[in-house]
Amino acid sequence: NAGVMQNPRHLVRRRGQEARLRCSPMKGHSHVYWYRQLPEEGLKFMVYLQKENIIDESGMPKERFSAEFPKEGPSILRIQQVVRGDSAAYFCASSPITGVNLEAFFGQGTRLTVV
Amino acid sequence: AQSVSQHNHHVILSEAASLELGCNYSYGGTVNLFWYVQYPGQHLQLLLKYFSGDPLVKGIKGFEAEFIKSKFSFNLRKPSVQWSDTAEYFCAVRTGANNLFFGTGTRLTVIP
Repeated sequence: NAGVMQNPRHLVRRRGQEARLRCSPMKGHSHVYWYRQLPEEGLKFMVYLQKENIIDESGMPKERFSAEFPKEGPSILRIQQVVRGDSAAYFCASSPITGVNLEAFFGQGTRLTVV
Repeated sequence: AQSVSQHNHHVILSEAASLELGCNYSYGGTVNLFWYVQYPGQHLQLLLKYFSGDPLVKGIKGFEAEFIKSKFSFNLRKPSVQWSDTAEYFCAVRTGANNLFFGTGTRLTVIP
C-alpha cells in the first residue's frame, strides 16, 4: 500500500505563472487535507476535501487559490498568478472515512519556489 | 477563536534531559488528539494519538502524552531525550466535523 504521493517534490515558477500541486491519497482514503508550511509558522490549514466535495476551505486565500478532489485521479491544489509570497512547502494528508484509527498520513510535500 | 496552541516555539535540551511540550486546544465537543514529528527535511509522521480510554497514551520512541480534559491539554513528554529526537513537533486536533488542525509547532534541539 503506497503512502500519500505528492508531486512534484520541487516546483519553480515565475511570478504570474500557475502552479499545480498533486496529491494522491493512500488507497482507500477519501479525505484529503492541504496545508502550507512556512518557517516559524507551522502548518496552516488550507482546505479539507472529500471525493468531489469541498468540506472546509476556510484556510484558503479568497483569490488565486483553488482545490479539487475529483472522483477519479489525484487531488489538485492550484495557485494562479503566483507571487513570491506563495513560496512555501505544501503538504497533503489523507485519512479514511471510517474505522477505528482515523489518523492522517502525510505526503513528502511540494516545495514551491516563486522567482 | 478555535485554535491549537503550542506555547514553546523552540526548546533546547541536553541529551538525557526530560522533555515536556505543551499543547492546548479550544475546540468543544469530542476531539481526537495527535502528536506528529517532522525530522529535518522529512514529512510529518505520527508519534501518538488519543481517541478515547486511558488518558495517558504511549507512542513510538519512548514518547507519551497525557490528555487532561478539564484543561483542554495534551502535553507530550519523554523522560530522557536523545540527539536523534531533534525535530519539529506538532500537536493536532481532529474535530467532530473531521477537520484536522495543527499548532504552530515546537522545534526541539538536543545537544549531545
